[in-house]
Amino acid sequence: DAKTTQPPSMDCAEGRAANLPCNHSTISGNEYVYWYRQIHSQGPQYIIHGLKNNETNEMASLIITEDRKSSTLILPHATLRDTAVYYCIALQGGKLIFGQGTELSVKP
Amino acid sequence: GAGVSQSPRYKVTKRGQDVTLRCDPISSHATLYWYQQALGQGPEFLTYFNYEAQPDKSGLPSDRFSAERPEGSISTLTIQRTEQRDSAMYRCASSLGGTGANVLTFGAGSRLTVL
Repeated sequence: DAKTTQPPSMDCAEGRAANLPCNHSTISGNEYVYWYRQIHSQGPQYIIHGLKNNETNEMASLIITEDRKSSTLILPHATLRDTAVYYCIALQGGKLIFGQGTELSVKP
Repeated sequence: GAGVSQSPRYKVTKRGQDVTLRCDPISSHATLYWYQQALGQGPEFLTYFNYEAQPDKSGLPSDRFSAERPEGSISTLTIQRTEQRDSAMYRCASSLGGTGANVLTFGAGSRLTVL
């Protein structure tokens, strides 16, 4: 079962790209990597997921290394509303286990 | 329904009382999860269901906690003899389930305060 590690906090200037790293060195070949975020006391919000290939949607891009041991979530043009805790998650035994996440602060 | 609905949104109870929280998942979703989230912490897994089956309840902190999903749709989480340490946000999430990607949709949560 995969465990993920993320930096506890990051800052980003408004309008710049935010690159959030995640290590998942024990991930197995069929485990997806998921990214969620949580703003204030709201429920976690799904952002993106991937298996092997890089993925992009209207919210973000996900870059997964070829060996799948790490990934990076990219918010291309961060806004103040992107300030949140970002969770990188891999399935563990069929269940999504949240770590402590990265607290991203977008500053004007 | 269109989204995951949880009730009550807020519950204040006295220590020793029993509490039941309810989750109504997205109607097409087979899998339902319960998480507990303390202030300033990430969601902690409690248990999950595939339809009415409960494959994993390893995250339930004690035998005072139990969950049911008898007809494979609505689920309840019951905490017996509540203690102050049970105070937290309880979050329910559902997903289509099956093999492949497992994207969860979360409800707004039920905030429990035990006095």
